Amino acid sequence: GESVGLHLPTLSVQEGDNSIINCAYSNSASDYFIWYKQESGKGPQFIIDIRSNMDKRQGQRVTVLLNKTVKHLSLQIAATQPGDSAVYFCAENSYNQGGKLIFGQGTELSVKP
Amino acid sequence: DTGVSQNPRHKITKRGQNVTFRCDPISEHNRLYWYRQTLGQGPEFLTYFQNEAQLEKSRLLSDRFSAERPKGSFSTLEIQRTEQGDSAMYLCASSLGEGREAFFGQGTRLTVV
Repeated sequence: GESVGLHLPTLSVQEGDNSIINCAYSNSASDYFIWYKQESGKGPQFIIDIRSNMDKRQGQRVTVLLNKTVKHLSLQIAATQPGDSAVYFCAENSYNQGGKLIFGQGTELSVKP
Repeated sequence: DTGVSQNPRHKITKRGQNVTFRCDPISEHNRLYWYRQTLGQGPEFLTYFQNEAQLEKSRLLSDRFSAERPKGSFSTLEIQRTEQGDSAMYLCASSLGEGREAFFGQGTRLTVV
């Protein structure tokens, strides 16, 4: 069936380095994507979103890239900080699925000081 | 705090008991979603409401589960005759509409003993 997944389950980076978290999706009808950050014991926190009519969107220290040709999404975090340590999820939304978000498994980001 | 509020934050119950969780969405949001999350997994969609109308229910939502949003504001999720397999984090999210940012609450962690 249709699914959203992540290439890497864990990612360890040095403080100050840039992080790249990847996500593959299979539903070609998906037209809206969100990245969430989830810390232990807390609910997912909205980071950034992107629509299918864009291929790049920037926020504060974060950039999301969308490649519709290969159905790939990535989250780039600049100058990674210890506070960025968390599990990151990508989620997709498509109008033909009633607008609900479908989540992937997640990538755990660990930032070493 | 004007975010999504969930109560209780934690619930421990004996197998066979009924439990009810409450979600208060962001006030102007007409969409409300319920998700379930188990350790190491992404949130799984359960059901969602557009105002007071329940528009979709996942196959995960067995007949022991029922959700309501009677006045289009807060919502409740009830689980009857709880089983150990119901132990999970139950997350609520709200949004302004389809294809809009969805914001999550901190979740209710259910433990069935």
